[in-house]
Amino acid sequence: GAVVSQHPSRVICKSGTSVKIECRSLDFQATTMFWYRQFPKQSLMLMATSNEGSKATYEQGVEKDKFLINHASLTLSTLTVTSAHPEDSSFYICSASRLAGGPNEQFFGPGTRLTVL
Amino acid sequence: GQNIDQPTEMTATEGAIVQINCTYQTSGFNGLFWYQQHAGEAPTFLSYNVLDGLEEKGRFSSFLSRSKGYSYLLLKELQMKDSASYLCAGTQTGANNLFFGTGTRLTVIP
Repeated sequence: GAVVSQHPSRVICKSGTSVKIECRSLDFQATTMFWYRQFPKQSLMLMATSNEGSKATYEQGVEKDKFLINHASLTLSTLTVTSAHPEDSSFYICSASRLAGGPNEQFFGPGTRLTVL
Repeated sequence: GQNIDQPTEMTATEGAIVQINCTYQTSGFNGLFWYQQHAGEAPTFLSYNVLDGLEEKGRFSSFLSRSKGYSYLLLKELQMKDSASYLCAGTQTGANNLFFGTGTRLTVIP
C-alpha cells in the first residue's frame, strides 16, 4: 500500500513552453502533497505544500506564478512549470502523506526528469 | 529555523559496517527520518525515530539523541547495492513537511 505515481517520468521541452506534471496517490487518500526539486548531487528542496481544496503554500524563493500547483482531489496534485527555461531543468519529486496535520511518513513518487532546451 | 548537517560523501568496503551521522538544529523538533535514494530515483523510507535510542531493522539501524541533536544510520554487512545517497530529514511538531539535509553519498567498494 501507499503507492504514489508521477507522470510523465521524463519530459523534454523547448524554452518558453509549459509542462504539467501529475502526482497521484494510487491506494490512499492524500490530504497533503509536497513538491520537491532536486538538482544533480544535491538534496531535495521543498518547493511547496498543497492541501486538497486549498491554495498551495510556497517556500521562500519559489515563484508561485511560475510553478502552479493544483490539488483538486484527494488523490491528485499537479505541478505546472509555466514558460520553462533551461534553469528549470531538474528532477521534480512529489510526495504524499495520509493525514492532515502532524508529522507523519511521506510516500514519494518516482520523480519526473525535466529537461528544458 | 532548520539546519541539518550530514557528510557529503563516504566510502566503505563490502561486508563492513558504516555509520552515517546527522546533526540537526530544528525549532519545534519532533522526529527524524532516514531515506535511501539511488541515483535518478525517488527516496525510499528507511526509518523514523521520535524517541531517544537505537532502533534496529535488519541490516539497518537508526539512533537518535534529542538532547544532543544527533542521529546516525548504521549499515551492517554492506552490499554493493547499498551504494546510494542517504538523506536525513527532520520534522516539526504540528507540521508535516520534511526538512532534508544535503544527503550523504555512500560508495561501497569491493
